[in-house]
Amino acid sequence: NAGVMQNPRHLVRRRGQEARLRCSPMKGHSHVYWYRQLPEEGLKFMVYLQKENIIDESGMPKERFSAEFPKEGPSILRIQQVVRGDSAAYFCASSPTQFTYEQYFGPGTRLTVT
Amino acid sequence: QQQVKQSPQSLIVQKGGISIINCAYENTAFDYFPWYQQFPGKGPALLIAIRPDVSEKKEGRFTISFNKSAKQFSLHIMDSQPGDSATYFCAASDATNKLIFGTGTLLAVQP
Repeated sequence: NAGVMQNPRHLVRRRGQEARLRCSPMKGHSHVYWYRQLPEEGLKFMVYLQKENIIDESGMPKERFSAEFPKEGPSILRIQQVVRGDSAAYFCASSPTQFTYEQYFGPGTRLTVT
Repeated sequence: QQQVKQSPQSLIVQKGGISIINCAYENTAFDYFPWYQQFPGKGPALLIAIRPDVSEKKEGRFTISFNKSAKQFSLHIMDSQPGDSATYFCAASDATNKLIFGTGTLLAVQP
C-alpha cells in the first residue's frame, strides 16, 4: 500500500519562475494538507483541500500561492514568481476523512530558489 | 493562542537512557496531540498520538503523558537507541484539522 507520494523531490527555480509541486495521497484518502518547513523550523500549515474543494487556506500567502485538488489526479501547490524566501521543504499529508485526525506525510519537495 | 511550545531544542541521551520532550499549549479547543519523528531529508512520520480523555498512552518504548489541567504533554522514549536519533515534533489540532507544530527537538542518542 503506497504512502503519500510527492514529486519532484527536489526542485530548483530561478527568481520569477513558477514552481509546481504535486502530491498523490494515500489510497483511499480524499483529504490533503500542505505544510511548509523553513530551515531549522517546524512545519507551518498552509492549506487543507478535499477533492475539488478548498476547505481552509488560512495559512497560505494571499499572493503568488494557489492550491488545487481536482477530481482526477494529484493535488497541486503552485507558486508563481518565486522569490528566495520561498526556498523551503513543502510537505503534503493526507487523511481518509475529515473526521480522522491522523495525517500521514509524504517525503516532501525541497524547493530551492536561486 | 495557536502556539505549541516545545522544549528542549536539543537533547543528548546515552544509549539505554530515557529521552523526555515537553510541549505546552494554550488553546483549550485542541483535542488531538500527535508526536512525529523526522529523519534528515525525510517527511515526518506519525509516532504516537493521544486524545485528552486519557492521561497516558504507551506504544512500545514510546509513551505520551498528558496533563489537561496544566495544558502540557510530553513524550518519553524508554531505552533510547542510536536509531532513535532524529528530530521530534509535537503537534496539536482541533476540529479544523490543522496541525499546529512545535519547533522540534533534535535528539542525539550516544552509543
